[in-house]
Amino acid sequence: NAGVTQTPKFQVLKTGQSMTLQCAQDMNHNSMYWYRQDPGMGLRLIYYSASEGTTDKGEVPNGYNVSRLNKREFSLRLESAAPSQTSVYFCASSETLAPPQETQYFGPGTRLLVL
Amino acid sequence: LAKTTQPISMDSYEGQEVNITCSHNNIATNDYITWYQQFPSQGPRFIIQGYKTKVTNEVASLFIPADRKSSTLSLPRVSLSDTAVYYCLVGDSNYQLIWGAGTKLIIKP
Repeated sequence: NAGVTQTPKFQVLKTGQSMTLQCAQDMNHNSMYWYRQDPGMGLRLIYYSASEGTTDKGEVPNGYNVSRLNKREFSLRLESAAPSQTSVYFCASSETLAPPQETQYFGPGTRLLVL
Repeated sequence: LAKTTQPISMDSYEGQEVNITCSHNNIATNDYITWYQQFPSQGPRFIIQGYKTKVTNEVASLFIPADRKSSTLSLPRVSLSDTAVYYCLVGDSNYQLIWGAGTKLIIKP
């Protein structure tokens, strides 16, 4: 089992460009999440998907869109990248959304630099 | 709205016991308290989870008082490889997951 995989590992964008971050999990989990982590800071939830076919906003959704393509895949799209979106993006999955909360399994992260 | 508070950083030495406390108000009455560990350039990894009193696994213990307004992660006999950032995670009364800002633990030889 690969667990949670993310592509790409690293990306440089110019302001205004768009891109999609891909995430896939092979643990048959129902719930998936996208977080951003800025230098020296904790995790902030961007969007989550409780189950296939549903998505909801987290703490910092502005500037992002998501698609739960199927049970395995959850993508994050930046329509018009801004320097403030420079960050490390983590995808995670869990069996269910809770409560009580289930263990979240994280991918290795995507490092995004917006110039 | 729930909020969690952790120390920003802590130092300790190899072989010592380290305790990291997280304060959390307004957490959901039916949710767990979970701790994660993160190494540089990696995603967080689950360490331990509990609801009340004490939970112990092969790597850590978690102490939760009766009022559940705080929790303490205890790492016994730390080694250099325990240098990492440690996060607490709770669910609030609106079923939102609230992450702490993380505690950077540095273990010295």
